[in-house]
Formats: sequence, C-alpha cells, structure tokens
Amino acid sequence: AQKVTQAQTEISVVEKEDVTLDCVYETRDTTYYLFWYKQPPSGELVFLIRRNSFDEQNEISGRYSWNFQKSTSSFNFTITASQVVDSAVYFCALSDPYSSASKIIFGSGTRLSIRP
Amino acid sequence: EPEVTQTPSHQVTQMGQEVILRCVPISNHLYFYWYRQILGQKVEFLVSFYNNEISEKSEIFDDQFSVERPDGSNFTLKIRSTKLEDSAMYFCAEAPGTSKGETQYFGPGTRLLVL
Repeated sequence: AQKVTQAQTEISVVEKEDVTLDCVYETRDTTYYLFWYKQPPSGELVFLIRRNSFDEQNEISGRYSWNFQKSTSSFNFTITASQVVDSAVYFCALSDPYSSASKIIFGSGTRLSIRP
Repeated sequence: EPEVTQTPSHQVTQMGQEVILRCVPISNHLYFYWYRQILGQKVEFLVSFYNNEISEKSEIFDDQFSVERPDGSNFTLKIRSTKLEDSAMYFCAEAPGTSKGETQYFGPGTRLLVL
C-alpha cells in the first residue's frame, strides 16, 4: 500500500535555527513522485517541490533544501535560518502510482512553530 | 504558479441542507480534483474528474456527493444532505494533465461548517 509517514507532529524552534522535517514513504512502484506542500495559518495549500524517483540529487531553493534518499525511502525537508513566516503545517505527499488520475496521498503533516 | 480560485471561502449550513462548492478553473487545465481536510487532520482525496466524467473516487465520496463541470465553466462539488461530519476544509485542485506525478495546484479552500 502507498503511505506517507511524518512522525514529527509538532516542532518548535527559535528563529534562525535550522530545522529538518522528516518524511518516510512506502510504495511498491519504481516510478513515483514526491511532493512537499506548505499550509500557513490562512489555510491554503502552497506547492513547494516535486521530485521524481529517478532524481536523487538534493535540491536547494534559497533557505529550503530537500534530501531524497531512495535507499531509506525518505524525503526530508530542511529550512535553514528559520524565520517566523515559516510557521505553518508542512505536508509531505506521494503521487499514487496505481491511481488512474494520479491522486496525491498526503502525510499527516508537521506543525512547525518558529518563535521570535 | 497558476492560481486556482474557490467560492465561497466560508459556508455555514444546517444539517440536511444541500451545499455547492465552486472552483474556478484555469483555462488550460484538464484534470480536476476535490480533496477534504477535517480540522487538524490530513488532506484526503475525494474525487477526480476529466472530460465530464469521474475518473476516480475514494470511499469517502458516497452517494451524497456529486461533481460536475457544466458547459466547461466552474467545477462544482455538491453535497446533497449535509451531515455534521462533513464539516471540513474542501480543496479543489487542478492539473494540466495526469502524466504520473503531475503537479496539482490547489485552491485556497472552502471552509464548510455544518450545524
């Protein structure tokens, strides 16, 4: 079965600290896509990144970086020098390879609080 | 990033009433989805829609739910007789295609409260 696990329910750090959000996934398919979405307090879902299973290069976008480790089925997200505006719920997600419409399976989310 | 819009942003209704949630499509997007997020929980897939047909639905999407896109206009989710447990945030999502892993762009959501 396809599944995404985000074991960290809540994380709280002081501003400027680095923080890593963990994501572990399960899938039987060899071709799959992983995503991270951000849900700020206003409630919308903001797309952050999409990564396919054949691309294991780490990606960096400003203060955000993602570490994809196929061997451990993990797709972790690191925020460097965190800011208060980073406070949100972050969802890791997997595109269901057995879905005819590529539905997305979400993890339960990690609530990140950045304290000033 | 393309912007998906949804109306209304909030809706309060009485149990047993019908509600219609609307999603304004992006012109070149062909695939539409509805997801639901009960307060404090994960986002769950409800249904996908392509070429005026449901292409896939979850077990949550029972007979009280329906979707349509009349005349290529707004994409709607109708709940015929709302229950208390239908209270949730409902997200519309769109994608230009369904090649594996196509990025889905989400609307801002409609917060539905059933009293």
